[in-house]
Amino acid sequence: QVNLLQSGAALVKPGASVKLSCKASGYTFTDYYIHWVKQSHGKSLEWIGYINPNSGYTNYNEKFKSKATLTVDKSTNTAYMELSRLTSEDSATYYCTRDRIYYYDGYGYWGQGVMVTVSS
Amino acid sequence: DIQMTQSPASLSASLGETVSIECLASEGISNDLAWYQQKSGKSPQLLIYAASRLQDGVPSRFSGSGSGTRYSLKISGMQPEDEADYFCQQSYKYPPTFGAGTKLELK
Repeated sequence: QVNLLQSGAALVKPGASVKLSCKASGYTFTDYYIHWVKQSHGKSLEWIGYINPNSGYTNYNEKFKSKATLTVDKSTNTAYMELSRLTSEDSATYYCTRDRIYYYDGYGYWGQGVMVTVSS
Repeated sequence: DIQMTQSPASLSASLGETVSIECLASEGISNDLAWYQQKSGKSPQLLIYAASRLQDGVPSRFSGSGSGTRYSLKISGMQPEDEADYFCQQSYKYPPTFGAGTKLELK
């Protein structure tokens, strides 16, 4: 079965960076985009961007273009998201997700989420 | 970006009651609409895709409908396990955008 396993919670200082991981299993990693979604305040959801694991091509939400960098390691079936120049506004839970099948099908698979807390 | 206006923000339903949640898109989204359920402390789970198609394993009391800019999620017979937050999401245009969510509680 499809599984997306994310790295553990992170406590980081303002101005620092953090790199989150998402290890995929149960399917061919290069066949589906990996998307990242931010959930602030336990409520609203925002799409950050996606990466094509096969080509490395990325597409970002304009709002997160200078904040997030998406990469993959095909040898370990792992996707990464690095968040830079962290502020309190970046404190949130971050999810990696995968399309159900097609991009318009919704996100059928989600990681368990990782809570990032930005605090001195 | 396409704005998704979701209503109501919260509602309370009795056991067995039928519940409806609506999403209004700021422009037509051609049925590229998904609904998610998120229980407390858990990841969102896909309920409905393509506006009306039930995700595998989702109980048949959940249904989706709509077209153009107006979409709705219906729960036919509220169950205790349906207490959760619900979100709509459009994937018609990038960036994908979500509704603000509806908190559903059991009365």
